[in-house]
Amino acid sequence: GAGVSQSPSNKVTEKGKDVELRCDPISGHTALYWYRQSLGQGLEFLIYFQGNSAPDKSGLPSDRFSAERTGGSVSTLTIQRTQQEDSAVYLCASRGWPTYNEQFFGPGTRLTVL
Amino acid sequence: AQTVTQSQPEMSVQEAETVTLSCTYDTSENNYYLFWYKQPPSRQMILVIRQEAYKQQNATENRFSVNFQKAAKSFSLKISDSQLGDTAMYFCAFMKGRSGGGADGLTFGKGTHLIIQP
Repeated sequence: GAGVSQSPSNKVTEKGKDVELRCDPISGHTALYWYRQSLGQGLEFLIYFQGNSAPDKSGLPSDRFSAERTGGSVSTLTIQRTQQEDSAVYLCASRGWPTYNEQFFGPGTRLTVL
Repeated sequence: AQTVTQSQPEMSVQEAETVTLSCTYDTSENNYYLFWYKQPPSRQMILVIRQEAYKQQNATENRFSVNFQKAAKSFSLKISDSQLGDTAMYFCAFMKGRSGGGADGLTFGKGTHLIIQP
């Protein structure tokens, strides 16, 4: 596609429910990143994919968070048993040819946990 | 680990003025990239300008330029002839350089909210 897309744009859920956030990177981009943006913590790196593998999961805040990427394209970030502190904007970015050292961001998903 | 510090939470200038946003960082890496991103209320992060650490020449993109001082670990953004559309959050970001492109995520500063007054 022309840019990175994310869905849903907004998600409201109840505490304790599971949520899935989707990221569709720029076609052909091999690297994919998830970030979380919250008022208290600012912008935090969560996880990085190169192809389908995730060599760097160091930013995932707890074992309730997981992510996968299939076919080297779409990625899903899953948050299990959501807590109110999970409320944030989740941003996805991708990187690839020809501008290898630039990350292109999607519009984000605003998650609100009630 | 890297840290990025933006010491100005908010700045306000008149339209057409020049404004400088400051950023300092700390790293033990020698190969890295620095970025300024703009985030308007739409949430879309937009790359404003990029600087490779191995380049001594400061990057410039139209009205935007940087003052990169590697020894001082400083990376300020200058916006000339500021416009109303420049109103946004501005984030300074650091990325380690690796062969084949940066493998690590970006480390961001806390951001500066820039307001351009008419």
